Amino acid sequence: DIVMTQSPDSLAVSLGERATINCKSSRSVLYTSNNKNYLAWYQQKPGQPPKLLISWASTREFGVPDRFSGSGSGTDFTLSISSLQAEDVAVYYCHQYYTTPSTFGQGTKVEI
Amino acid sequence: QVQLVQSGTEVKKPGASLKVSCKASGFTFSGYYMHWVRQAPGQGLEWMGWINPNSGGTNSAQKFQGRVTMTRDTSISTAYMELNSLRSDDTAVYYCARPRNAYDDNDAFDIWGQGTVVTVS
Repeated sequence: DIVMTQSPDSLAVSLGERATINCKSSRSVLYTSNNKNYLAWYQQKPGQPPKLLISWASTREFGVPDRFSGSGSGTDFTLSISSLQAEDVAVYYCHQYYTTPSTFGQGTKVEI
Repeated sequence: QVQLVQSGTEVKKPGASLKVSCKASGFTFSGYYMHWVRQAPGQGLEWMGWINPNSGGTNSAQKFQGRVTMTRDTSISTAYMELNSLRSDDTAVYYCARPRNAYDDNDAFDIWGQGTVVTVS
């Protein structure tokens, strides 16, 4: 199984400042035939299901604010929130869908 | 609108069985794999498996093989996840989740059910 490891486990950032979350996979999730990284990022608020923010490592979903961005390739990925807003307080998960079983990082809690 | 609506809260005794339903609306049910993901209290997300609603074929995580059964009823656009021989560490919120693209079992999940809270005690 591909193990997804996020860092840090928690992060406190001032309003308007940048938040950066890292995700490392134990094997590459880059599919060379289509040059796509099978990596997604989700946001989960208490009592809610996860919400898909980014797929293919860097493609923002429709309606997701552009302060959220994803980068990286192969085994190392980053989710950045350029200017943290109060509504961004949540737990963030990375997810590889390159192979079965699909696996998630342990989550990173973002606080103000 | 596109949505997945799951069945309600369950309280089960150890050794019992659980069956959670997930009713789809707003999209062609048979065109999308349906995945099941669970989340223990205060913990992360754990993928359990998927069902291909078109063929009925399934694939589950090794951890759950022999204990989980995924089925569907295409006439009512509903997927089911049954978990047997429940233990206390099966206490979790169980989600169904739909991939973004039809006919694709390797994709991110853009539609999630609201979750079904299951307590085994």
